[in-house]
Amino acid sequence: QVQLQESGPGLVKPSETLSLTCTVSGDSISSFYWSWIRQPPGKGLEWIGHFFYSGSTKYNPSLKSRVTISADMAKNQFSLKLNSVTAADTAVYYCARDRGGYSSSWYDCWGRGTLVTVSS
Amino acid sequence: QSVLTQPPSASGTPGQRVTISCSGSSSNIESNYIYWYQHLPGTAPKLLIYTNNQRPSGVPDRFSGSKSGTSASLAISGLRSEDEADYYCAAWDDRLSGVVFGGGTKLTVL
Repeated sequence: QVQLQESGPGLVKPSETLSLTCTVSGDSISSFYWSWIRQPPGKGLEWIGHFFYSGSTKYNPSLKSRVTISADMAKNQFSLKLNSVTAADTAVYYCARDRGGYSSSWYDCWGRGTLVTVSS
Repeated sequence: QSVLTQPPSASGTPGQRVTISCSGSSSNIESNYIYWYQHLPGTAPKLLIYTNNQRPSGVPDRFSGSKSGTSASLAISGLRSEDEADYYCAAWDDRLSGVVFGGGTKLTVL
């Protein structure tokens, strides 16, 4: 059974960098695409970006200048870095597996999500 | 303002059939697959429908998806109290070169 688990600080100061890690068990991150998705309080889901083990990444155009998704293949983890955060980045952050490929939104496995609050 | 447009709310009584719409454009719904997710507060979203109209194993056949042109819909028949949740549509957008979600529809079972 595939399981994903997000981890990282729950509180980040404005202008600093949000860093989260998704640990995957039951599957290798060298298969499929792996994504980050977030949900601000009271709002809908927003795609942040995805990566493929080959090193290929794609980001939401609205966040592209601030986002980096990378992976540690040895640890079977992938990570999200979002810099220069503001209160608008406060959200529950999910990692998910996309089994559909590059131009897909087929998220069949999700982490439980982690709330990150941006506040001083 | 979401790229995919969903009604903010929908409702029905137990046993009824409800439909949730998702409206997009030629760069997303018309040219790519649509996916539907069920989201209960405090839990991870759950895949309900993939590639327009396919159900993952374990999803009841009360849930069905369809697509026509730039619109898609999710139908739930035999409505049950446990269906009360938020529902999201999603698709790849060729113009934005990324995934877009609908704003979500909150389904209330009266």
